[in-house]
Amino acid sequence: GAVVSQHPSWVICKSGTSVKIECRSLDFQATTMFWYRQFPKQSLMLMATSNEGSKATYEQGVEKDKFLINHASLTLSTLTVTSAHPEDSSFYICSARVPPGLAGTDTQYFGPGTRLTVL
Amino acid sequence: GDSVTQMEGPVTLSEEAFLTINCTYTATGYPSLFWYVQYPGEGLQLLLKATKADDKGSNKGFEATYRKETTSFHLEKGSVQVSDSAVYFCALNSGYSTLTFGKGTMLLVSP
Repeated sequence: GAVVSQHPSWVICKSGTSVKIECRSLDFQATTMFWYRQFPKQSLMLMATSNEGSKATYEQGVEKDKFLINHASLTLSTLTVTSAHPEDSSFYICSARVPPGLAGTDTQYFGPGTRLTVL
Repeated sequence: GDSVTQMEGPVTLSEEAFLTINCTYTATGYPSLFWYVQYPGEGLQLLLKATKADDKGSNKGFEATYRKETTSFHLEKGSVQVSDSAVYFCALNSGYSTLTFGKGTMLLVSP
């Protein structure tokens, strides 16, 4: 199956600093990637859809100036949490879309996640 | 709008027991259906999928059949192992690329 990596796998930062999380598709090109947030013992919450070469589409209630998304190439999308605060502490997961032509149906493959802790 | 309903967990089983995790959905059109598994501290892994009615997805001993008449996609495994302990998510894609997830069902398998 398609492989998606994330880096870092965990990060601890001080309140007010910015943190960048990378999401890479390792063996395929992904024109579309997705960023999710997951709270403990809950399902995934879609934050935004990242399209290569264009602006990300944010879900309602997600601050685009706080969660900056850049999809500069067909294998890399980044999420930058700016001026992080303790309430931003969470598990962030990305996924990459494999289109029907390759996967039989529109399929998302997920990265291993990044645990962010803001002190 | 689209929605996915899963049975609440945790589901607690002994090793080698039969597993069923129920999943029903509401969607427009003809969605594709997925089961993802999340092991502790990790991201989601695609377990299996089905794209049309009566399709059966299968992987690692797990199976699920796309039942359009009952709008269901129940996950089954004949004999669970301790290593199957994880959270299982049912999801659908109505053709707009985004996934709609259920709330997840935790499975705990004891030796």
